[in-house]
Amino acid sequence: DIQMTQSPSTLSASVGDRVTITCRASQSLNNWVAWYQQKPGKAPKLLIYKASSLESGVPSRFSGSGSGTEFTLTITSLQPDDFATYYCQQYKWDMYTFGQGTKLEIK
Amino acid sequence: EVQLVESGGGLIQPGGSLRLSCAASGFTVSSSYMSWVRQAPGKGLEWVSVIYSGGDTHYAESVEGRFTISRDSSKNTAHLQMDSLRAEDTAVYYCAREMEDAFDLWGQGTMVTVSS
Repeated sequence: DIQMTQSPSTLSASVGDRVTITCRASQSLNNWVAWYQQKPGKAPKLLIYKASSLESGVPSRFSGSGSGTEFTLTITSLQPDDFATYYCQQYKWDMYTFGQGTKLEIK
Repeated sequence: EVQLVESGGGLIQPGGSLRLSCAASGFTVSSSYMSWVRQAPGKGLEWVSVIYSGGDTHYAESVEGRFTISRDSSKNTAHLQMDSLRAEDTAVYYCAREMEDAFDLWGQGTMVTVSS
């Protein structure tokens, strides 16, 4: 199975900051990596698909990059609504794997 | 409106069975890849199972042989039959549609609690 190691597990930041979350895969991926935002008691929301494509309706301050085994989610100019938990997800060989999550907290 | 609505969760004893349903509107389940994803209390997301538009199915190792995914085209609904339930299956179960190898549409989730 492909493992997705997400870091950091917790991130403290302030409104207006730029933050980066990283996911490392245990094997090289063909860029089928997505990123989600989840708030307490709610279903996850898709932000980025195919490593760098922005989902419709998602603010442009969210961006994704990476290839091979390392992928990143960057949020520029953090807004109060962005404080949530973020997950990466990969798809390969008919299996899907999520990272363990990054909780983005207000500093 | 494009949406997914899950139902069928509840409290069940270990070893018991439960069938979850995911009713879709605004798109066709049988033309889509549909998955179930679960989240144990206070934990992260875990993919459970997928049914492809062609009918092929795949499962996470943790549920292989105990869970069965299916769909009912006449009702535009996906199902997850869960047998031999264990305490570690306790979670919120979400159904989700896959597009471009990502889950772009999610239901609100249904809670399954396995406890005596």
